Amino acid sequence: EPEVTQTPSHQVTQMGQEVILRCVPISNHLYFYWYRQILGQKVEFLVSFYNNEISEKSEIFDDQFSVERPDGSNFTLKIRSTKLEDSAMYFCASRRSGGVGEELFFGEGSRLTVL
Amino acid sequence: AQRVTQPEKLLSVFKGAPVELKCNYSYSGSPELFWYVQYSRQRLQLLLRHISRESIKGFTADLNKGETSFHLKKPFAQEEDSAMYYCALSRVTSGSRLTFGEGTQLTVNP
Repeated sequence: EPEVTQTPSHQVTQMGQEVILRCVPISNHLYFYWYRQILGQKVEFLVSFYNNEISEKSEIFDDQFSVERPDGSNFTLKIRSTKLEDSAMYFCASRRSGGVGEELFFGEGSRLTVL
Repeated sequence: AQRVTQPEKLLSVFKGAPVELKCNYSYSGSPELFWYVQYSRQRLQLLLRHISRESIKGFTADLNKGETSFHLKKPFAQEEDSAMYYCALSRVTSGSRLTFGEGTQLTVNP
């Protein structure tokens, strides 16, 4: 069964460094998302991406964040200059269409630790 | 603004007992409601959605618009139901984001 895959599973970085988290969505999916979960808190929406552009973003997704689909398969989240509070589990998700009730498929997550 | 509240962070029941995980939401329009589940060391996955009105693994959830609730129920809990359960809401708009509740950790004891 096709799955969303994410790399790396865990990354440790120093404050101020750039980080790129990578995702390979399910191949025939058209909508892509990033969510994050700070330890002990709820899963929060960051950004959605459709038709090669951002379709929606949250207030968390400020100028330090960017997303890209550099080729036909990868979907990346870049944090330009990491802060301590960026430490979280980052989940990539995709769905086949934007239809009502359409299932969202999640990756296993990338744990980011900022020191 | 859309908001989802799960009042219980932890819920513990014995095998065979009924279980109800509470979910309340606030949203001015007509929402889509979902339950997602995360078993230990596994990814988040869809359990059920209100639009399908289905029962999955013995779980059901009814959308009550008057009480703005979407509680998840199962008449006889099993040990394998132990997991983190998240209630989530989205607008009825193409590709709309999911807004999650805080999650309830369900433990089913033998």
